[in-house]
Amino acid sequence: EDKVVQSPLSLVVHEGDTVTLNCSYEVTNFRSLLWYKQEKKAPTFLFMLTSSGIEKKSGRLSSILDKKELFSILNITATQTGDSAVYLCASPVSSASKIIFGSGTRLSIRP
Amino acid sequence: EAGVTQSPTHLIKTRGQQVTLRCSPISGHTSVYWYQQALGLGLQFLLWYDEGEERNRGNFPPRFSGRQFPNYSSELNVNALELEDSALYLCASSLQGVNYGYTFGSGTRLTVV
Repeated sequence: EDKVVQSPLSLVVHEGDTVTLNCSYEVTNFRSLLWYKQEKKAPTFLFMLTSSGIEKKSGRLSSILDKKELFSILNITATQTGDSAVYLCASPVSSASKIIFGSGTRLSIRP
Repeated sequence: EAGVTQSPTHLIKTRGQQVTLRCSPISGHTSVYWYQQALGLGLQFLLWYDEGEERNRGNFPPRFSGRQFPNYSSELNVNALELEDSALYLCASSLQGVNYGYTFGSGTRLTVV
């Protein structure tokens, strides 16, 4: 069965810390790995990763994919209170034309 | 360009009632996806509509149903509401197919009492 597993489930850090969120996957005919940020309601798109070893960056956020070990990490450096959110990892299951999501990591940044 | 719009934003219903949630995709997107996000749980795939047809459904009972209209907007209907149906219902649309991800609406928060 296709699945996406995230760890940790929750994380509390102080402002300015660096955090690493983990995502492992088992997806038949893997195509891409997606990261979303969900603050209140609508998840917003962060990254799409398709190639192993190539880092995607956006400001203080970066992500990398390891297709051999079937995992991805999301790094956030110099965290700010605005980074507090649930971070979702997901992967499309093309045969079913849907995206499956992990349970998310709830990140809380303390001032 | 308007994003994915959902209505209503919040809803309170009594157990046993029926509810209809609405979604309008981004202009030009023909596929609409529905997800349920119960408190503390991840997003669970409910339904996929494309070109007016139901293309796939997740592991939900038949009392969860829906439809897609000629203008590609969609409705999600839930009959015989149960307490555990309380959740955030998210609609998403996609232009290039699931491999490139979705754009989500802001969701409808349903509370069943």
